[in-house]
Amino acid sequence: EVQVVESGGGLVKPGGSLRLSCAASGFTFNTYTMNWVRQAPGKGLEWVSSISSSSSYIYYADSVKGRITISRDNANNSVYLQMNSLRAEDTALYYCARGAGYCSSTSCEGAFDIWGQGTMVTVSS
Amino acid sequence: QSVLTQPPSASGTPGQRVTISCSGSSSNIGSDFVSWYQQLPRTAPKLLIYRNNQRPSGVPDRFSGSKSGTSASLAISGLRSEDEADYYCATWDDSLSGVVFGGGTKLTVL
Repeated sequence: EVQVVESGGGLVKPGGSLRLSCAASGFTFNTYTMNWVRQAPGKGLEWVSSISSSSSYIYYADSVKGRITISRDNANNSVYLQMNSLRAEDTALYYCARGAGYCSSTSCEGAFDIWGQGTMVTVSS
Repeated sequence: QSVLTQPPSASGTPGQRVTISCSGSSSNIGSDFVSWYQQLPRTAPKLLIYRNNQRPSGVPDRFSGSKSGTSASLAISGLRSEDEADYYCATWDDSLSGVVFGGGTKLTVL
């Protein structure tokens, strides 16, 4: 079965750090762009970051740039999101999603065809 | 405030055809492919349309997408109660160098 499963969410204090993981299975992981998308409680979807298949191209939303780092381990079919200097506004359900289209030096397609169930990150004192 | 503008709500009766619009600019919809997502209550989003008008396997042909200039639309024909969900458009934005989502449209089946 093609799937991605997120883990690593939890409650963290403002200014703290958290590392999210996403384990993929059922597909050739090293040929796909991987992405993180978040959804604050009761709000819409917000793209966070994308990483191309060989990690050559990486993109971040302005809202997280400088505080979040995406990485992947193709040998272990996993993608990660290292989150530092967390703020209350980072509170959200974080989804890992497989990219369904291209990713190049100038852009990544906003088509995500496989989603996990999400992992909740709560930033609160 | 989302870069892509969607109506916050839409509605229709069973069997009807409903369209949801997504308005952008030359730096996003005008220059890249548009995708559409369906999010049922308390579930992860599901890709409905990619590359403006392509359906992934398993998505019924009741769902169709189109794009013209800096706007895109999702059409749902033969509306069913199970179509009641939030719908989002998405595309790449050259100015922001990132993927942008619309604010979402809540579809109610009356």
